[in-house]
Amino acid sequence: QKEVEQDPGPLSVPEGAIVSLNCTYSNSAFQYFMWYRQYSRKGPELLMYTYSSGNKEDGRFTAQVDKSSKYISLFIRDSQPSDSATYLCAMSLSGGSNYKLTFGKGTLLTVNP
Amino acid sequence: GAGVSQSPSNKVTEKGKDVELRCDPISGHTALYWYRQSLGQGLEFLIYFQGNSAPDKSGLPSDRFSAERTGGSVSTLTIQRTQQEDSAVYLCASDAGPASSYGYTFGSGTRLTVV
Repeated sequence: QKEVEQDPGPLSVPEGAIVSLNCTYSNSAFQYFMWYRQYSRKGPELLMYTYSSGNKEDGRFTAQVDKSSKYISLFIRDSQPSDSATYLCAMSLSGGSNYKLTFGKGTLLTVNP
Repeated sequence: GAGVSQSPSNKVTEKGKDVELRCDPISGHTALYWYRQSLGQGLEFLIYFQGNSAPDKSGLPSDRFSAERTGGSVSTLTIQRTQQEDSAVYLCASDAGPASSYGYTFGSGTRLTVV
């Protein structure tokens, strides 16, 4: 079993839809959780990070962490064609310096106009 | 610089040849990371440099892979005797180290193809 499991999709939704992206993990020692967005032929860019169970909201994006279930989610409201990208979950054992993140394989999202 | 710069952006090499990939991190960032992203795979950690500390090489897949960081800035990842399974995108990232706010800054990567 891989440490981090993420459905690779692809996921295709109409513009304005609510998108739900998910990851499960097996190592209960993970403390910090992140979501990265990666456009084609670009490096990943950080969207959200959190270190506690619960929800964190930033504009149209909400990150949710359930440590008891070892499950994290990213919700995108009012999705836009510009949100079309690969979304990667990532997690680490410690905070501060990011150090040695463990990534999911990524979910390819397409938002259709 | 304004961002993490990697060169070359694309590299095609013949099996058995050596390649060098370069990363120029954001000025002042003390931490530098190399990751590999293979087709259909997530990012795989390779190596981590933090200031003058000994690097964490625990992710290097074989002794054909090595990396160095000169003067605490530019880093070079070297792959000797390349194999077809080395074909991947090699991503470099940097951050300001333990005092930084969260989140690596990645470069756009070097796409390596071994033929």
